[in-house]
Amino acid sequence: DIQMTQSPSTLSASVRDRVTITCRASRSISSWVAWYQQKPGKAPKLLIYKASSLESGVPSRFSGSGSGTEFTLTINGLQPDDFASYYCQQYNTNSPAFGQGTKVEIK
Amino acid sequence: QVQLVQSGAEVKKPGSSVKVSCKASGGTFSTYPVSWLRQAPGQGLEWVGWILPIFGTANYAQKFQGRVTITADKSTNTVYMELSGLRSEDTALYYCARAKTETTVVEYFQLWGQGTLVTVSS
Repeated sequence: DIQMTQSPSTLSASVRDRVTITCRASRSISSWVAWYQQKPGKAPKLLIYKASSLESGVPSRFSGSGSGTEFTLTINGLQPDDFASYYCQQYNTNSPAFGQGTKVEIK
Repeated sequence: QVQLVQSGAEVKKPGSSVKVSCKASGGTFSTYPVSWLRQAPGQGLEWVGWILPIFGTANYAQKFQGRVTITADKSTNTVYMELSGLRSEDTALYYCARAKTETTVVEYFQLWGQGTLVTVSS
């Protein structure tokens, strides 16, 4: 099975900061990575798929990059609504797996 | 606009089974794979398994093989997940989620149900 290692687990940031979250796969997964945002008590929301494709309706301050084993989610100009948890997910195999999550907190 | 609506919270005894439903309303359902995922309190997301309703074919995470059964009723646009041999570690919020595209492989999840809390306690 492919494992996804996400870092950091917690991130303290201020409004308007640029934030970067990293996910490393245990072996190459091409560009088969998605990113989600989750707020307390809510279902996850799809942000990015195929490593860098922005889901419809998602603000352009969110971007994804990477291929192979290393992937990043970047938020350019953090907004109050962005304080939440974020998860990466690989779908290279028929057994998808998630990273452990990153909680973005207010500094 | 398709929505996924899940059944209500359940409280179960250890060793028993639970069956959770996920009903789609407002659009095409059977040609999209539907997965079940879970999230234990304060923890991350874990994929349980999936089904392609149009064919009724299901696939499960190795961890749950032999304990989980996912089925679909095309006539009512409903997918079910039954988990047996419940233990306290199965206490979690269970989500159904639909893929973005009409694919025959597991991919990412665009549409999510609201979640169903399953509590396993003696």
